[in-house]
Amino acid sequence: DQQVKQNSPSLSVQEGRISILNCDYTNSMFDYFLWYKKYPAEGPTFLISISSIKDKNEDGRFTVFLNKSAKHLSLHIVPSQPGDSAVYFCAASARFAWNTPLVFGKGTRLSVIA
Amino acid sequence: DAEITQSPRHKITETGRQVTLACHQTWNHNNMFWYRQDLGHGLRLIHYSYGVQDTNKGEVSDGYSVSRSNTEDLPLTLESAASSQTSVYFCASSVSPEGEQYFGPGTRLTVT
Repeated sequence: DQQVKQNSPSLSVQEGRISILNCDYTNSMFDYFLWYKKYPAEGPTFLISISSIKDKNEDGRFTVFLNKSAKHLSLHIVPSQPGDSAVYFCAASARFAWNTPLVFGKGTRLSVIA
Repeated sequence: DAEITQSPRHKITETGRQVTLACHQTWNHNNMFWYRQDLGHGLRLIHYSYGVQDTNKGEVSDGYSVSRSNTEDLPLTLESAASSQTSVYFCASSVSPEGEQYFGPGTRLTVT
């Protein structure tokens, strides 16, 4: 049973607009959430994270929002650029559950159209 | 600069052969992980290790094995390659077991 779900396999957005990537989780023990970005023929790279004690974390054009009651997080990219076209993975961990590795979603492919 | 490398980057092998994929990291991380990435499945955890001599099974461990004899390396072995193991394999390492992971560039394996 998937504990981290990214229900949209793909998303297309016009350059300059906002991209919103969504992620849902089922395990209430998760308290730390990460987003990774992956280009073709490369390994995933860490993008941004958020702890469950916060509801928002911002880093430049990237903002992650966390809604704990809904078990939902989203990644906002504003403004979207063609170089943002990649697969984005959501991941979650339960830092107080001893030695449990990250759980990844299946990813969402973002295409930013010029 | 510290890094994580994988070799080979591309490999073609025949069904039934034993194959070993190498992963080497210079971060001095205790925690290392192997994933496979397939269309529609995302990143699936194969095996992981939290230190020398420690290994653990992940979500899709059947047909794979790992061994950890030092901090830097976690080789992944396919005992008898099957066509279902055609995939892209990623190695990763991290400071803490549940924290941010740093990924290698991947190995594309084709089993014919």
